Amino acid sequence: DAGVTQSPTHLIKTRGQQVTLRCSPKSGHDTVSWYQQALGQGPQFIFQYYEEEERQRGNFPDRFSGHQFPNYSSELNVNALLLGDSALYLCASSLASGGHKGFGNGTRLTVT
Amino acid sequence: ELKVEQNPLFLSMQEGKNYTIYCNYSTTSDRLYWYRQDPGKSLESLFVLLSNGAVKQEGRLMASLDTKARLSTLHITAAVHDLSATYFCAVDPAGGGADGLTFGKGTHLIIQP
Repeated sequence: DAGVTQSPTHLIKTRGQQVTLRCSPKSGHDTVSWYQQALGQGPQFIFQYYEEEERQRGNFPDRFSGHQFPNYSSELNVNALLLGDSALYLCASSLASGGHKGFGNGTRLTVT
Repeated sequence: ELKVEQNPLFLSMQEGKNYTIYCNYSTTSDRLYWYRQDPGKSLESLFVLLSNGAVKQEGRLMASLDTKARLSTLHITAAVHDLSATYFCAVDPAGGGADGLTFGKGTHLIIQP
């Protein structure tokens, strides 16, 4: 029973570019949440997807967008990358009814 | 806006000692999570506390939740070097488990032989 999987593991982009990160939830989970963790900080909630719609959003600009597919997997897109977007991006999955939230291994994004 | 405060933020202790990490939060919630993070790694789930008075223990770690005081504690008993890591508490603001989590800044724990 696979847990939460994320790809790619590492990514280097140039300022102004766009990036797409991917997440497959734990089997049986239907809700995916994305978090940004800057170096030395706690994770910050970006948004959550359920039934292919954004259900809740944190304090992030519109440059951050996402998508959820019928198989519950999800993508995080970031446009017009800034140096400050360099961080570890974490995906968590859970059931819509709540409960345990398991995290993937993350994607480390470096913007140069 | 929900605020989650952990203290201390940095803790250096010797093996064999006991210590407690505190997590205070600013709004009503009855669902609190504790995670461990090793350098360069993702978050490992330690405990999920779902009600007032909940207490859970795993090995040398014990977590508790007091929803009336809006306080959770993570107690370390007879610390060993392998417990060196950063520990985060996180609160589900809606309490129903369906919302994004608000994390504390983390407690960076170093346990010296």
